[in-house]
Amino acid sequence: AQTVTQSQPEMSVQEAETVTLSCTYDTSENNYYLFWYKQPPSRQMILVIRQEAYKQQNATENRFSVNFQKAAKSFSLKISDSQLGDTAMYFCAFMKVGSQGNLIFGKGTKLSVKP
Amino acid sequence: GAGVSQTPSNKVTEKGKYVELRCDPISGHTALYWYRQSLGQGPEFLIYFQGTGAADDSGLPNDRFFAVRPEGSVSTLKIQRTERGDSAVYLCASSLTGGRNEKLFFGSGTQLSVL
Repeated sequence: AQTVTQSQPEMSVQEAETVTLSCTYDTSENNYYLFWYKQPPSRQMILVIRQEAYKQQNATENRFSVNFQKAAKSFSLKISDSQLGDTAMYFCAFMKVGSQGNLIFGKGTKLSVKP
Repeated sequence: GAGVSQTPSNKVTEKGKYVELRCDPISGHTALYWYRQSLGQGPEFLIYFQGTGAADDSGLPNDRFFAVRPEGSVSTLKIQRTERGDSAVYLCASSLTGGRNEKLFFGSGTQLSVL
């Protein structure tokens, strides 16, 4: 069975600074996807970034980038130039190829961006 | 519609009662997913519909939980004989075709409270 661990229940960062959220996972699969989702108080899950395990290049989306270390089973999220609107819960998730929608989420990290 | 719509936003019921939660996906999306998010946890996959049929129902916890999507659009999650442990946010998501690594669009969920 796959597991996803987020070891930081809460993090805070000053506006305009950079913060890194940690995620580790455990799987025996070789082909899978990894995701970071943002959940603001509205409860709606919003996809931040995704990574395909077979791609060695780290994914980037504007201010968001990941550090994907497949051998170490680590998938951290870096947020650059943090903005007040980045304040939210962040969830790391794993999905096996072929199991569409069957995401396995971590417990989340609550990020607070301070002015 | 413009986004995934879930009704009601909040539902309070008594232990042992029957409840129905509704999800209206983005128009034209053939794939629909249900998740359950307990307090302090990440979402947990329940079921995935492709059109009218359940393509993966491996996440339904027991036979008190049932979901339908009779016309391939709106879906209803049904919970019989509710228990206090069923209290959670129930999230629905949809995607265009259910294709490989397709982006999911989430609704704002229904907060179910079982007293």
